[in-house]
Amino acid sequence: GNSVTQMEGPVTLSEEAFLTINCTYTATGYPSLFWYVQYPGEGLQLLLKATKADDKGSNKGFEATYRKETTSFHLEKGSVQVSDSAVYFCALRGGTNAGKSTFGDGTTLTVKP
Amino acid sequence: EPEVTQTPSHQVTQMGQEVILRCVPISNHLYFYWYRQILGQKVEFLVSFYNNEISEKSEIFDDQFSVERPDGSNFTLKIRSTKLEDSAMYFCASMGDAGNTIYFGEGSWLTVV
Repeated sequence: GNSVTQMEGPVTLSEEAFLTINCTYTATGYPSLFWYVQYPGEGLQLLLKATKADDKGSNKGFEATYRKETTSFHLEKGSVQVSDSAVYFCALRGGTNAGKSTFGDGTTLTVKP
Repeated sequence: EPEVTQTPSHQVTQMGQEVILRCVPISNHLYFYWYRQILGQKVEFLVSFYNNEISEKSEIFDDQFSVERPDGSNFTLKIRSTKLEDSAMYFCASMGDAGNTIYFGEGSWLTVV
């Protein structure tokens, strides 16, 4: 079945540092890939997505490229801010339109001033 | 921007009691989901619902759980007899027919004591 493996956390960075959170997946067919963010005490928010190989999703300075050859969807940001502190979840959805999403374990990011 | 709304935001219930969590999906969406997240753990799929019936469910979604779309706007999750291990954040989500992005609500935090 489908699975998502995320870089283990927690990750602690200083403000303006470069961020990478690794995500690899196992799936049949051609899944869509997502990054969700969960700020403290809040729900899940879609951060970005990519629906086919070589697509790049981007939002709020974050980027991730759908790499089919390495089955990866790593999240990057060039310069993190304190407000980026949150839990980040990589997820995939494949198969039919009613198909469930499969989430990674989540990576907690803390950005210090 | 349209959003998925959930009520209650937090509920405390005694073990063995029935709980109903309510969701109003995004208008015109046709696919509905419930997920849960036990504190500090990953987001887990419970059930998907389309065309007034369950399209997929996980092993977690046993006979104690049920879903219903009683009218044109609400989508409910019922836990018939709650257990301590049902304590979690429950997320409702919906997806439109044309797209493949699932939008999540803010979550309902259930505490079973």
